[in-house]
This record gives sequence, structure tokens and C-alpha cells, in this order.
Amino acid sequence: QVHLVQSGAEVKKPGASVKVACRAFGFSFTSDYMQWVRQAPGQGLEWMGLINPSGDGTAYAQKFQGRVSMTRDTSTVYMELSRLRSEDTAVYYCARITSAGPNDYWGQGTLVTVSS
Amino acid sequence: EVVLTQSPITLSLSPGERATLSCRASQSVNIKYLAWYQQKSGQPPRLLIYGASGRATGVPDRFSGGGSGTDFTLTITRLEPEDFAVYYCQHFGSSPPRYTFGQGTKLEIK
Repeated sequence: QVHLVQSGAEVKKPGASVKVACRAFGFSFTSDYMQWVRQAPGQGLEWMGLINPSGDGTAYAQKFQGRVSMTRDTSTVYMELSRLRSEDTAVYYCARITSAGPNDYWGQGTLVTVSS
Repeated sequence: EVVLTQSPITLSLSPGERATLSCRASQSVNIKYLAWYQQKSGQPPRLLIYGASGRATGVPDRFSGGGSGTDFTLTITRLEPEDFAVYYCQHFGSSPPRYTFGQGTKLEIK
């Protein structure tokens, strides 16, 4: 059964960095593009970026350029966001990108709270 | 960059009624790259529709998608209690690769 299991909630101070992990179970993870989407409290979905199957290619939303880094190994994809500010408080989701483009499997979400 | 505008922001209906949700793109898009998701409180989004009209695995046939060019719709016939949620449309482009979401439509019980 396909599962994406994300790391636990984080509380960070402004200016710090956070690294969220997303581990894949039940599918050939190494063949799939993966992406990250975030959702601020009470708000909509915001695309952050994606990483290719081999991990040597990424595409980031312009808003996060220079602050975000996505990496992966054989079973886990990571998203690191630096220079955190209060507006980065959100639930961060990883998701698998299907060959047709949309996202069929999602992680459970990781709440990142940025507060002094 | 494609901007997606959903309407209405909130839709109040009763179980058994028909819901029609709209997603308008700022420019004409390929229908292959338009999807719809359902999100319930505290849960990740769930893929409903891909390629504008294809139902994802396990999605009931009361959900249907349609449209072309800049105007797309998600229709739910005979609303069930579990259908009341927030719905998002999504577009993905390949050059450069990027995804955008509409702002969402909240479907609430009247």
C-alpha cells in the first residue's frame, strides 16, 4: 500500500532553518517526481517546488528561490526552508507527481510553526 | 504564469442537490494539465479529477469534470454529507515546470 510518511511538527525561531522529511512506502519511489506544497492556517494550497527522480534536477516557485532546497535519497525526499519568518508558519505536504502530472498520493502534512 | 480563479468562494447547498464549481484560467490551458482536488479539514488534498474530466481511482461517479480553454467545471450530482469540503483546481505547466492552484471553493451544508 502506498504511503508517504512525513516527519513530525517543528517549532522554529525567525531566521532559523527547517528540514522536513517525507518517506515513501509501497511504490517505486526512485521513478517518481515529487513535490512540496504548503498551506498556511486557514489558507489555500501553495506550490513550492519539485524534484526529479534522480535528485539532480529541481524546480522551485519563484517566491521561494534562494530559500528552499529539495533533495532526496533512495526512500526519502527532503525540503529545507531557510531564513524562516512568521509567514512561513504552515502545514507542509509532500506529494507524488504522476506521469500525467497531478498528485495522487500525499503525505499527512507537517506543521511548521515560526515564532519568537 | 497561469492564474486560476475559482468561483464561488463559498457554495451553500443541501444534501441531494447538485453542485457546480467553476475554475477560470488566465490563459488557455491544455486540458491534460487541469486537475481537481477535495480537501477536508485536517487532511491532505485528495485527487478527484485529472485531465479535466478523468476520475481518479475510487472517486464516485457523482463527481465529473469538464471544460476547455479557460473555463472548467467540477460537478457533483446528488450531494452526499461527506462531499462538503473545500475544492481546489490545479494546473501544471512543463516549461518551466510549475504548478498553480486556485484559491478554493468551500462547499458547505445549507
